[in-house]
Amino acid sequence: AQSVTQPDIHITVSEGASLELRCNYSYGATPYLFWYVQSPGQGLQLLLKYFSGDTLVQGIKGFEAEFKRSQSSFNLRKPSVHWSDAAEYFCAVGLNTNAGKSTFGDGTTLTVKP
Amino acid sequence: EAGVAQSPRYKIIEKRQSVAFWCNPISGHATLYWYQQILGQGPKLLIQFQNNGVVDDSQLPKDRFSAERLKGVDSTLKIQPAKLEDSAVYLCASSLARPSTDTQYFGPGTRLTVL
Repeated sequence: AQSVTQPDIHITVSEGASLELRCNYSYGATPYLFWYVQSPGQGLQLLLKYFSGDTLVQGIKGFEAEFKRSQSSFNLRKPSVHWSDAAEYFCAVGLNTNAGKSTFGDGTTLTVKP
Repeated sequence: EAGVAQSPRYKIIEKRQSVAFWCNPISGHATLYWYQQILGQGPKLLIQFQNNGVVDDSQLPKDRFSAERLKGVDSTLKIQPAKLEDSAVYLCASSLARPSTDTQYFGPGTRLTVL
């Protein structure tokens, strides 16, 4: 069975600073990987996904993530954080036979300081 | 285009009562998912439908939870009887087609409180 670990429960960054959210996964084959954002009062929204090919994936809202097979990681990055990025971020891993059957991490809450 | 609709948005019940949640996916989306999100945790997949057939329900507590998707469109999730530990947000999502590599679009969720 697959699993996901997001080591940081809560991260605080200043507006304009860079951001990196960590995600480590466990899966016996090449995974499908996702990052979602959940803002207060809003539903989950897909930021980006990795299925194959280029290991650096670009997403919406200026986010990117890099798949590193050797480290079983899929970290999310943004060069300059905006106050509107404050939210909860979830990493998820899907089966390569059914990407829809995803296992989510427990999330990282991002606070942005002015 | 309209998003995934869920109702009710909030529900409070006593333990051992029954409750049902409704989901209307985005028009034309063949795949529908129900997730349970307990406070402080990520969503957990309960059941996945492809049209009106079940693709995966391995994490659905079948002694008390049931779900159906009649005619491959709307879906209902039922809990009978509810337990305290069922307090959570129930999320519905849909995606366009099989093999479900398409983007999942999530509804706003139903927050269930069991007293």
